[in-house]
Amino acid sequence: GNSVTQMEGPVTLSEEAFLTINCTYTATGYPSLFWYVQYPGEGLQLLLKATKADDKGSNKGFEATYRKETTSFHLEKGSVQVSDSAVYFCALSDKAAGNKLTFGGGTRVLVKP
Amino acid sequence: DAGVIQSPRHEVTEMGQEVTLRCKPISGHNSLFWYRQTMMRGLELLIYFNNNVPIDDSGMPEDRFSAKMPNASFSTLKIQPSEPRDSAVYFCASSKQWGGSNEQFFGPGTRLTVL
Repeated sequence: GNSVTQMEGPVTLSEEAFLTINCTYTATGYPSLFWYVQYPGEGLQLLLKATKADDKGSNKGFEATYRKETTSFHLEKGSVQVSDSAVYFCALSDKAAGNKLTFGGGTRVLVKP
Repeated sequence: DAGVIQSPRHEVTEMGQEVTLRCKPISGHNSLFWYRQTMMRGLELLIYFNNNVPIDDSGMPEDRFSAKMPNASFSTLKIQPSEPRDSAVYFCASSKQWGGSNEQFFGPGTRLTVL
């Protein structure tokens, strides 16, 4: 079956630091990959996505590249802000599984001023 | 676009009472998903519908939980009777089944507290 593994948090950083959150996946088909972000007290929002190998998703200074050879989709941001404090979820969607999203466990990120 | 709408946003009830959570998906979306989020278990998929038909309810914890989608613009998740361990945030999400990258759009959630 499909599965997503992401690094456990919490990750605590200072403002302007570099952020990396590792994500690896197992899938039987050719999944689309996503990063969702959940700010305190809110629902999940799509941060970025990639639908095929070597695609790079980017948004709000965050980037992630779909690496089929390493089955990874690591999230990076070069200079974080306090407003980036949130929980980040890596997920995959396999059309063979009918649009179901398989989520990782989430990584809490805390950025201190 | 109004996004996915959920009601109520907060619900406090007593053990044994019936609870009904409501969701209105984004217009034009034909897949709808119910999730539960807790600190202990994280984010769990409870059930999802395609074209108003339940496709996979394997995540529904027990018979006390039921979900319906009578039409393309409305779904309910019911817990009867409710128990304290049902306390969680319940999210509804919708997407288009075909085309695109299967992106799901989440509602703001309903925070349920069962006393």
